[in-house]
Amino acid sequence: DGGITQSPKYLFRKEGQNVTLSCEQNLNHDAMYWYRQDPGQGLRLIYYSQIVNDFQKGDIAEGYSVSREKKESFPLTVTSAQKNPTAFYLCASMASSGANVLTFGAGSRLTVL
Amino acid sequence: KNEVEQSPQNLTAQEGEFITINCSYSVGISALHWLQQHPGGGIVSLFMLSSGKKKHGRLIATINIQEKHSSLHITASHPRDSAVYICAVPQPLMNYGGSQGNLIFGKGTKLSVKP
Repeated sequence: DGGITQSPKYLFRKEGQNVTLSCEQNLNHDAMYWYRQDPGQGLRLIYYSQIVNDFQKGDIAEGYSVSREKKESFPLTVTSAQKNPTAFYLCASMASSGANVLTFGAGSRLTVL
Repeated sequence: KNEVEQSPQNLTAQEGEFITINCSYSVGISALHWLQQHPGGGIVSLFMLSSGKKKHGRLIATINIQEKHSSLHITASHPRDSAVYICAVPQPLMNYGGSQGNLIFGKGTKLSVKP
């Protein structure tokens, strides 16, 4: 079955360490997105990519980096520059044509100790 | 930038009750999305609608484009309906010529249905 796989589901890291969250999709979607979710807030866009080898900053990109070397993969690195990295991170993808329906991964919960 | 407001923030209901969740937005849109987030965190898309009403099982979504308002109704609610319901509207991505590809999300309505 097609879908989006995020890993790891739970991640604990010490302050000051970089961590990379994986997002892989087999839906043949061109567009991929990373969102951050905090308690009591709506999802906020970190980075997005509409095509391979291109990506753009979203509303809260500071302290994060991404790459899009393959259509299927859009990993997110949470760097030590991110001041408050503890959050729930969601990856999503969308077909470039047709209805603007996002498909979400199951999420990764990052806790910085 | 569009502002999306949902009400209520939290909702507790008894099994079998009819439930309504509301969503309003500030800027005219072409379509609105309703999403469901389960306690584990995964999100699924329930509806995308641009006018009128859509029905899927016990879920009904309506939208009034002129009033910039949408409602999600659940008939004969069940404990398995307990989740966070989120509405979202398109946000054009200007780096790609304004093509729509992102959503602005409401903060969600946490629904708890008691047996």
